[in-house]
Amino acid sequence: GAVVSQHPSWVICKSGTSVKIECRSLDFQATTMFWYRQFPKQSLMLMATSNEGSKATYEQGVEKDKFLINHASLTLSTLTVTSAHPEDSSFYICSAQSSQGAFYGYTFGSGTRLTVV
Amino acid sequence: GENVEQHPSTLSVQEGDSAVIKCTYSDSASNYFPWYKQELGKRPQLIIDIRSNVGEKKDQRIAVTLNKTAKHFSLHITETQPEDSAVYFCAAMEYGNKLVFGAGTILRVKS
Repeated sequence: GAVVSQHPSWVICKSGTSVKIECRSLDFQATTMFWYRQFPKQSLMLMATSNEGSKATYEQGVEKDKFLINHASLTLSTLTVTSAHPEDSSFYICSAQSSQGAFYGYTFGSGTRLTVV
Repeated sequence: GENVEQHPSTLSVQEGDSAVIKCTYSDSASNYFPWYKQELGKRPQLIIDIRSNVGEKKDQRIAVTLNKTAKHFSLHITETQPEDSAVYFCAAMEYGNKLVFGAGTILRVKS
């Protein structure tokens, strides 16, 4: 079945530094990638949607200059948290979708636990 | 945009009993409704989904029902087992294929 590999699974960084999270679709072409953030004991909140080769579309309240999304190829999308602060500590998870053929549903990455100290 | 409400927030059942989780949505144009099970620190796992042209779908102990007129859908788990304990999320697909999630239900199955 469809697999999305997400790395790193966890990361601890110092306040003010940047962190890059990668999501790779291993056996299909991810034309669309959704990036979510999940705080402890809360639901998944969509941060942005990216289509291959296009600029990402950010949800209201999400700072595009802080959360940089790149989707340069059909198999790789990255989220960079710039100038991270403790309040950015969260579980970040990607979800890939392919537009090839019929609607395939969503394939989630394994998530990245970010802790900013 | 779409708004999804999910109830209850926590649900405790005895092993072998049934569990029902309910969700309502606001956008009548939404046409895809998945249910996810998430264990602590892991990715959401799709357990069942339903499209708007179907009223009910069943997969062994799990079933989902959809009432388009009332804009609500429900997850039914029968013969619950301790390994069913997890957080369950409903979702609705809105314009742009974006999934909007409910707040989640913590299911505890007591043995």
